[in-house]
Parts: sequence; structure tokens; C-alpha cells
Amino acid sequence: DAKTTQPTSMDCAEGRAANLPCNHSTISGNEYVYWYRQIHSQGPQYIIHGLKNNETNEMASLIITEDRKSSTLILPHATLRDTAVYYCIVRETYNQGGKLIFGQGTELSVKP
Amino acid sequence: DAGVTQSPTHLIKTRGQHVTLRCSPISGHKSVSWYQQVLGQGPQFIFQYYEKEERGRGNFPDRFSARQFPNYSSELNVNALLLGDSALYLCASSWLGWGNQPQHFGDGTRLSIL
Repeated sequence: DAKTTQPTSMDCAEGRAANLPCNHSTISGNEYVYWYRQIHSQGPQYIIHGLKNNETNEMASLIITEDRKSSTLILPHATLRDTAVYYCIVRETYNQGGKLIFGQGTELSVKP
Repeated sequence: DAGVTQSPTHLIKTRGQHVTLRCSPISGHKSVSWYQQVLGQGPQFIFQYYEKEERGRGNFPDRFSARQFPNYSSELNVNALLLGDSALYLCASSWLGWGNQPQHFGDGTRLSIL
């Protein structure tokens, strides 16, 4: 079973920041938080990952709380092309090998 | 650089038939994982291969099998197809089979069983 809880759906106005929350209250010390998104009819696209520090790349920022029990993915200026299902995944990287456990994700709709 | 490529993109089969799906990883990646995504759900892990050896297996019947070749490409085989095998089959590659580097996905093969 997925170790994360996400809202089923969210709306965001085009040009505004999209803040997608994720709860992972049972996360253990060696588990990373990964974010992927899936646009209709395409494969999941890697966005960002982190362990305990906040991370930023050209796509998004990842904010992880100090207790690591929750995180937020931030798309700073959402566009219509950011409409997708966003998956938050926690993964223990040394013993679970290649296994990613996907939940239902959050369906983000960016509206004009 | 080319991403993960999968073939074919679409496939229609009938119940009881056999199917082979193919995946070429990103150049330099040595690990390939396979996932099944049924409509309306998140992808489910089927297999992981690293250096031609199976390193992980999900909760799928023995009708599902896979292998990895010396050039790190991979095949997923499904025998005795059932209607419930209709799904998007995704391949993901990563440099190693462990560690924190992310997996990168192809756009999948959409398999329809009639």
C-alpha cells in the first residue's frame, strides 16, 4: 500500500502558484520523498525528490517539514500544461530497489 | 539524448494469446522496471531488473515474466492473456537498481484484450 495521503483533486488559476500537499506520517529516516506527474496518455514524469532539506529545480520546489511527516510540491507559476495527476511517493532507496508504490495522486486542474 | 522508448505503442490481442512488450532504457542506465497501470489507478510495480538479474517482483501471477539483455534493454512477456490484463504497461529506467537517483518512464504500451 502507498505510504502517502494526497487530496484527490485541486484547482489552480493560471499564473498562480500551485501548492500540492502530501502526508507521509510513517516515513522512516532513510526514505526519500519523490514527486512525479502524469499527463493524460503519457508516462509519469519525474519532477523532484528530497530527503529532509528543501529542494528546488527548474520545474518545482519541494518543501519538507522538519519532522518529515509531510511535504508540499510548489509549482511557482502554473500553466495550463501543468494540468496532470501528481503523485507523491516515499521510497526506501537501498532495500526496495526499483519499486515505486503509487497511490491515487492529486488531479490538478489549472484553469485560465 | 533519447528517453526511455517502448514498443509497440498500442497492441490489441485476444484472450488466451501471448504478448511481448519491449523497452530500451536511457543510455547508460542499467536498471529497468516494469509497471502496469489500469485505467483510473496509479501504476503498479511488476518487475525490476538490474544487470540482467531480477531484483524485485510485485504481486503478479506467473503468467508475467521478463528478462533483460546485455545491452540493458528488456522484454515483458505475458502468457494466457485475460481481459483484466488490459492496461498501460510502463517501463522505467535508472542508472542503478538502488540509491536515490530517480526512475524515468517511457510513455508505455497500451494493451487491449478482446
